Amino acid sequence: DTEVTQTPKHLVMGMTNKKSLKCEQHMGHRAMYWYKQKAKKPPELMFVYSYEKLSINESVPSRFSPECPNSSLLNLHLHALQPEDSALYLCASSQVSLAQDTQYFGPGTRLTVL
Amino acid sequence: KNQVEQSPQSLIILEGKNCTLQCNYTVSPFSNLRWYKQDTGRGPVSLTIMTFSENTKSNGRYTATLDADTKQSSLHITASQLSDSASYICVVSYSFNTDKLIFGTGTRLQVFP
Repeated sequence: DTEVTQTPKHLVMGMTNKKSLKCEQHMGHRAMYWYKQKAKKPPELMFVYSYEKLSINESVPSRFSPECPNSSLLNLHLHALQPEDSALYLCASSQVSLAQDTQYFGPGTRLTVL
Repeated sequence: KNQVEQSPQSLIILEGKNCTLQCNYTVSPFSNLRWYKQDTGRGPVSLTIMTFSENTKSNGRYTATLDADTKQSSLHITASQLSDSASYICVVSYSFNTDKLIFGTGTRLQVFP
């Protein structure tokens, strides 16, 4: 099983809402990632979890709050977002290393902030 | 500055034809180079990953080459199919104090019947 799943597929939220994005993998990978992708741009790394600990935060605003409850699950909690945060949010996983190992991406959550 | 540049920005070809996409990088120290295929609105799918010592790697009709001396890579698609229509992203990784991935801006390929 080389699948990374993400829910929901689409999310529309107001600027005062609180919502969460979920990601799951069952490949035994110990590294998980959140990316943000705007239209016609490459993905931008947001967070890296390694062995369930946050190892990289690419200066992401605090309105995005990641959580890794266990080695298979990754959440992204959203609060007080801005319209410019509308984007495709991608989750990915790899065996251990960001630099050495192939990343497997989920299908993404299309987020629209009104 | 660590950069990955891809060309062309977009490409239109007819079904059945071959094409080659280019990737030039200035990333140092180099760890590996990856090619991803991304359908519109979907997550990227890995095609190949090559280290410094590998200069060719194939995945079905996709063949990637790497010249570490000139810091160039290419992705050759043979006998294109309509389903090859997608963005192709070149990604270079390096590991120096911290791990980093440098993404190219992609080549948008459209295959027409």
